[in-house]
Amino acid sequence: IMMTQSPATLSVSPGERATLSCRASQTVSSNLAWYQQKPGQAPRLLIYGASTRATGIPARFSASGSETEFTLTISSLQSEDFAVYYCQQYTNWPLLTFGGGTKVEIK
Amino acid sequence: EVQLVQSGAEMKKPGDSLRISCETSGYKFFAYWIAWVRQMPGKDLEWMGIIYPADSDTRYSPSFQGQVSISVDKSISTAYLQWSSLRASDTAMYYCVRHSITVAGTFDYWGQGTQVTVSA
Repeated sequence: IMMTQSPATLSVSPGERATLSCRASQTVSSNLAWYQQKPGQAPRLLIYGASTRATGIPARFSASGSETEFTLTISSLQSEDFAVYYCQQYTNWPLLTFGGGTKVEIK
Repeated sequence: EVQLVQSGAEMKKPGDSLRISCETSGYKFFAYWIAWVRQMPGKDLEWMGIIYPADSDTRYSPSFQGQVSISVDKSISTAYLQWSSLRASDTAMYYCVRHSITVAGTFDYWGQGTQVTVSA
């Protein structure tokens, strides 16, 4: 299953909303996770089950979608949110695949 | 506290062999699948394979089958990723990750990464 993320880069001002998209080449039901990776760090799990925030993830992160279309929204960007975001499908366990990532940068 | 601590950066030549490690603590090692994920410079994340420490059941991504070997040593709660003959294209950051037990297929804890550089 191929995962395609768009846009590749998103330029957003602090305090603004960011909307990231992820598309699957075939249905993954709700078996979709989102990760955040900051420079020089390992990725961190943000969302699983397409819409459930992982432990400790702030409420400004929300996600939705099912089947093949998914969205991650950051409602009001904070300085610490500028990072690369990856989606990952796990419907085809153990053949797991990630999207190519969306870099959220400061406008 | 759950921790996955990986071995340090490696500089190798093409054709060299290599084994990197991932020492875990803070949880029951044998009960959670451990995976390895590759991140080439400036590139996305690639799942390489997984192992279940309790019985060493191992699965590989077709892209990495035959290219690497994943193993564990239960006595020291450590997982390994091994190459018998490195290539320049193996230059990447490698992460060990723990599969969540509550949401199978997601990765809830990550190692800090091991940078592998292969150059003549």
